[in-house]
Order: sequence, then C-alpha cells, then structure tokens
Amino acid sequence: QKEVEQDPGPLSVPEGAIVSLNCTYSNSAFQYFMWYRQYSRKGPELLMYTYSSGNKEDGRFTAQVDKSSKYISLFIRDSQPSDSATYLCAIRGSNYKLTFGKGTLLTVNP
Amino acid sequence: DVKVTQSSRYLVKRTGEKVFLECVQDMDHENMFWYRQDPGLGLRLIYFSYDVKMKEKGDIPEGYSVSREKKERFSLILESASTNQTSMYLCASSLRPDRDLTDTQYFGPGTRLTVL
Repeated sequence: QKEVEQDPGPLSVPEGAIVSLNCTYSNSAFQYFMWYRQYSRKGPELLMYTYSSGNKEDGRFTAQVDKSSKYISLFIRDSQPSDSATYLCAIRGSNYKLTFGKGTLLTVNP
Repeated sequence: DVKVTQSSRYLVKRTGEKVFLECVQDMDHENMFWYRQDPGLGLRLIYFSYDVKMKEKGDIPEGYSVSREKKERFSLILESASTNQTSMYLCASSLRPDRDLTDTQYFGPGTRLTVL
C-alpha cells in the first residue's frame, strides 16, 4: 500500500462549483498535513497547512483532516478559473521528509 | 519574499554526459531538497540536505549525487545521464522546524531535463 494515495483526476468543473479533493494515507505516524498548488510550468506553492484533526478555513479554501480515518480533504468554494492547477497533498512525520500525493489536475471552466 | 532559483528552465543532454543542476535560495534556509516530478508518479525525493556538507538519501537516489558547499546552494549531479533520467527536476528549501512550525517548503520553477 502506498503511503499517500490521491486520485489524479483530471477534474473539470464549471465556475462557481464546490470542489472536493481528497487523499488517504497509511502511516498513523504522520502528523502534519499540507496542500500545495502547482500552476502549469511552475513549482508547487503551499496553500494550506494543518496538524490536527478538524477543519481549517482560509477564504474560499477549507482543509479537513480526519486522523481516525487517515483521510484529508481540500474544499474550494465558488471555484474560479484562476483555481485551475494541480493540487498536491503532502504529509510529514517527525522528520524533514514530505510525502506527496501524485496530484489532482483541476480545471475550472468559465 | 523567498526566492528559490534554478540554473536552467530547460536542458538537453546526451546519454553518458555529466549533468549539473544548480539551486540557490536567498532566505537563509537550513534545509534544501531535490525532487523529480514525472506524470503518473508525482513528486519523488532524490536527496535532501539539512546543513552545509550534510546530505541524506531520499526515495530514489540511485544515479544521482549532491553537493552542498554553501548554505544557499544545493547542486544535483547526474554522473552519467541516462534516458530514464529525463524528467522535471524541482529544488526546494525550508527552515528548520523549530524556526517554522509549518515547515513550508518553497520550490523553484523547475528544470525540464531531456536526455537523448
């Protein structure tokens, strides 16, 4: 079983839709949970960070972590064409190493 | 603003050549990382360094080596390039966790390497 599983999509939605992106992980030692966004031909950039179960909101973005189910989600409300990108979940244990999901390609159509 | 720069955006090399990829960060970060990104495989860690002259193998170190002589610079070396090393190479840097609880990694724009 891979350490982090992420549906690669692609996912195509109309502008204004609510988007749900998900990852599952296998190692209960993972403590820190992140979502990175990567625009085409750019490096990833951190979008959301959380270290506890529950929800964390930042504008139109909500990160959700359920440690009991080893499941993390990113919700995007009122999606915009500028949200079109690849979204990568990333999980870290106690060392420096991030384990990334494979990324989900999202397209928001005007 | 943190800036991570990589020496080339695009690079074409021949099989057997020695290839150097350079990465420089300007924010006094302790940690630096080299990843490769391939379709269907995602981001995979090749090597990372948590201090000058210190390095640790990541998940796929075979065929690669690294050098960190100065804190701001981290080099990835392909001793003898092969076609299966054609990929997007991404460098990243971060502060020590005790200096940044989020342990954010800041990425460069990537180098797309093609080995013919």
